[in-house]
Amino acid sequence: GAGVSQSPRYKVAKRGQDVALRCDPISGHVSLFWYQQALGQGPEFLTYFQNEAQLDKSGLPSDRFFAERPEGSVSTLKIQRTQQEDSAVYLCASSLDGRNYGYTFGSGTRLTVV
Amino acid sequence: QKEVEQDPGPLSVPEGAIVSLNCTYSNSAFQYFMWYRQYSRKGPELLMYTYSSGNKEDGRFTAQVDKSSKYISLFIRDSQPSDSATYLCAMSRNSGYSTLTFGKGTMLLVSP
Repeated sequence: GAGVSQSPRYKVAKRGQDVALRCDPISGHVSLFWYQQALGQGPEFLTYFQNEAQLDKSGLPSDRFFAERPEGSVSTLKIQRTQQEDSAVYLCASSLDGRNYGYTFGSGTRLTVV
Repeated sequence: QKEVEQDPGPLSVPEGAIVSLNCTYSNSAFQYFMWYRQYSRKGPELLMYTYSSGNKEDGRFTAQVDKSSKYISLFIRDSQPSDSATYLCAMSRNSGYSTLTFGKGTMLLVSP
């Protein structure tokens, strides 16, 4: 596609519910990143994939967060037993080769935990 | 103290004004500096990218980096209402794979 596509755009979850957020990167982009943007804050790094390999997951805030990219294209970020502090916009970015000037961000998924 | 500090604003200016946005940082390992623009309910889009200290100009936008002071700036000339957005500074240690560290963003409002 022309850009990075994320779905759903909005998600309301009850506390304790599991959610799955999807990212379709630009075709052919090797690198894929997930960032979390809380209200009024800048994005914060969660995890990084190069093809199907998860090379860095140091930003995942707890073991309730899990990301995968099994075929090196679409990625899913899963949050188990959601908590109110998980409410944020989850941004996905892809890059042809991982270089930091080549990121293209999606519009994000806004998660609200009630 | 956060690694990157940025005044959240909002900064309100009339159309045609020169806008100055800035960030300070504490980690001297940062070598690559970026400015992103983020419209409401959209993802960030890259505006300017600079390496180390110096200036870079692109149309109405000028980015400045002063590594000795750990201070970066973005200037917007002849500001337009369409420039109304949140401006995020971001930094990284190297040009290859490296996580970006963002400021919290400055909201800019340009009134006609």
